Amino acid sequence: NAGVTQTPKFQVLKTGQSMTLQCAQDMNHEYMSWYRQDPGMGLRLIHYSVGAGITDQGEVPNGYNVSRSTTEDFPLRLLSAAPSQTSVYFCASSYSMWGLSTNEKLFFGSGTQLSVL
Amino acid sequence: AQKVTQAQTEISVVEKEDVTLDCVYETRDTTYYLFWYKQPPSGELVFLIRRNSFDEQNEISGRYSWNFQKSTSSFNFTITASQVVDSAVYFCALSEASAGGTSYGKLTFGQGTILTVHP
Repeated sequence: NAGVTQTPKFQVLKTGQSMTLQCAQDMNHEYMSWYRQDPGMGLRLIHYSVGAGITDQGEVPNGYNVSRSTTEDFPLRLLSAAPSQTSVYFCASSYSMWGLSTNEKLFFGSGTQLSVL
Repeated sequence: AQKVTQAQTEISVVEKEDVTLDCVYETRDTTYYLFWYKQPPSGELVFLIRRNSFDEQNEISGRYSWNFQKSTSSFNFTITASQVVDSAVYFCALSEASAGGTSYGKLTFGQGTILTVHP
């Protein structure tokens, strides 16, 4: 299994450009999510999905769109990039429902470093 | 709303010293999950431990140990005899759950603690 695969690893955009960060997992996980990491702020949840066709907003959703047409893929779209979106982006996945008697956790991709000039 | 605080922004130690990373959390739920992740200089996030709110047993894994105290809402992480390879950013995180323990895995992260171990 490849786990959670993110592409690209690095990207530089100009203000106003659009792009899509790709995320794919091969573990048949129903739950997928996107986080952004900024210095001194930890990781913050952007959007998440509990299954194909179902998405919802996290803590910092503005400026980002998502869709979930398949179980495997969960792309993150920046429609009009802004310098405030310069960050490291992580995609994560897990089984949809965690329980006390199990040991589920989030599996993270290797991250995408995005710079918006 | 849930919140995780890692008050130590940066810690610097010399190899073989013991070091404790603090984590304090806030939640109104009685059922929740606590995590520690490590982010080495290469940037990936490495899972270290998950603990549920009903399991207050301390855990030891090699040089790593975790102290979970519900009375003080803390989940501290200690590295014994630190090594240069322990240099990383460490994140504490919280996931709330329903009364039955189910959770969709939405994590709230602390700000992270940068640990530097000098040779």
